[in-house]
Amino acid sequence: AQSVTQLGSHVSVSEGALVLLRCNYSSSVPPYLFWYVQYPNQGLQLLLKYTTGATLVKGINGFEAEFKKSETSFHLTKPSAHMSDAAEYFCAVSEMDSSYKLIFGSGTRLLVRP
Amino acid sequence: GAGVSQSPSNKVTEKGKDVELRCDPISGHTALYWYRQSLGQGLEFLIYFQGNSAPDKSGLPSDRFSAERTGGSVSTLTIQRTQQEDSAVYLCASSLKGGGNTEAFFGQGTRLTVV
Repeated sequence: AQSVTQLGSHVSVSEGALVLLRCNYSSSVPPYLFWYVQYPNQGLQLLLKYTTGATLVKGINGFEAEFKKSETSFHLTKPSAHMSDAAEYFCAVSEMDSSYKLIFGSGTRLLVRP
Repeated sequence: GAGVSQSPSNKVTEKGKDVELRCDPISGHTALYWYRQSLGQGLEFLIYFQGNSAPDKSGLPSDRFSAERTGGSVSTLTIQRTQQEDSAVYLCASSLKGGGNTEAFFGQGTRLTVV
């Protein structure tokens, strides 16, 4: 079975600073990888995904992530944090069976200090 | 509708009662998923529908949990004889065809509290 590990349940950055949220996965086959964001009392919104092709993936709101097979990582970055980025972020891998259900990490809550 | 709709948004029930949670997926989406989000367990997969059939029920935690989907559209998740550990946010998601590279769109969830 596949699994996802997100290092750091809470990450705090200053407004304007670099955002780095870490995600490592375990998969026996090339995975499909996702980052979702959840704002308070809302559902999950897709930030970006990697399926095939270019390993650097750009998403919404200035976020990007790089798939590194050798490191089994898919870290999420943003050059300059905004107050509106404060939310919980989930990394997920798609189970490579007929359901393609998502296996989620435990989430990282991003706090942005003014 | 424009997105995935779930009802009710909040539900408080007494221990031992049955509850039904409803999900209206995006029109035309054949794949539908239920997930549960709780403090101790994070986001867990419950069940997957393709059309009206459920080829993957592996995440249902006990036989008190069941789900159905009718007309390839609306899905209902039923929890019988609710327990306090069932308290969680239940999220529904739909996607166009269920492939791994197909985006899943999530509803806002139903917050279930069992007292």
